[in-house]
Amino acid sequence: GNSVTQMEGPVTLSEEAFLTINCTYTATGYPSLFWYVQYPGEGLQLLLKATKADDKGSNKGFEATYRKETTSFHLEKGSVQVSDSAVYFCALTVGSSASKIIFGSGTRLSIRP
Amino acid sequence: DAGVIQSPRHEVTEMGQEVTLRCKPISGHDYLFWYRQTMMRGLELLIYFNNNVPIDDSGMPEDRFSAKMPNASFSTLKIQPSEPRDSAVYFCASRIRDEKLFFGSGTQLSVL
Repeated sequence: GNSVTQMEGPVTLSEEAFLTINCTYTATGYPSLFWYVQYPGEGLQLLLKATKADDKGSNKGFEATYRKETTSFHLEKGSVQVSDSAVYFCALTVGSSASKIIFGSGTRLSIRP
Repeated sequence: DAGVIQSPRHEVTEMGQEVTLRCKPISGHDYLFWYRQTMMRGLELLIYFNNNVPIDDSGMPEDRFSAKMPNASFSTLKIQPSEPRDSAVYFCASRIRDEKLFFGSGTQLSVL
């Protein structure tokens, strides 16, 4: 079946630290991969995406590269800010209609000033 | 556009009562999703619609849960009777075709 596995949180870092949140997936076919972010008290919103192998999605200083050989889509940021504190979800869609979006369990990130 | 609108924002009810959650998707979006979020189980897809038709309801926990989409601008998720284990945040989300998903702000449900 199709699934997404994320590193468990919470992750706590100091401001300006380097961030990596691991995400691996299992999928039949060729999935599109996403990172969504949820700020406190809000719904999820798309952070970045990649639709084929070796694509790199990027937004707001965050990056993730679609690695087919390792079935991974790790999220990285070179220098985090307090405002990046949120819950991050890795997700995938599979199939021609890509109707169903499967989310990982989420990783809570807290940044200390 | 105002985005996906959910109501109520918070709902507190007693066990056994009927609960109705409401969602207005973004105009023009043809997919609508209902998710439930808890600390224990994360984000679970309950059901989704395409052009107002339920496509996959395999995530609906049990017969106490039902969802409808009578038209393109409105959907409801109903729990009858409600139980304490239904306490969670319920999100509605919509999108057009295979583009990105837009989430509402959620309904925080507490069943006492």
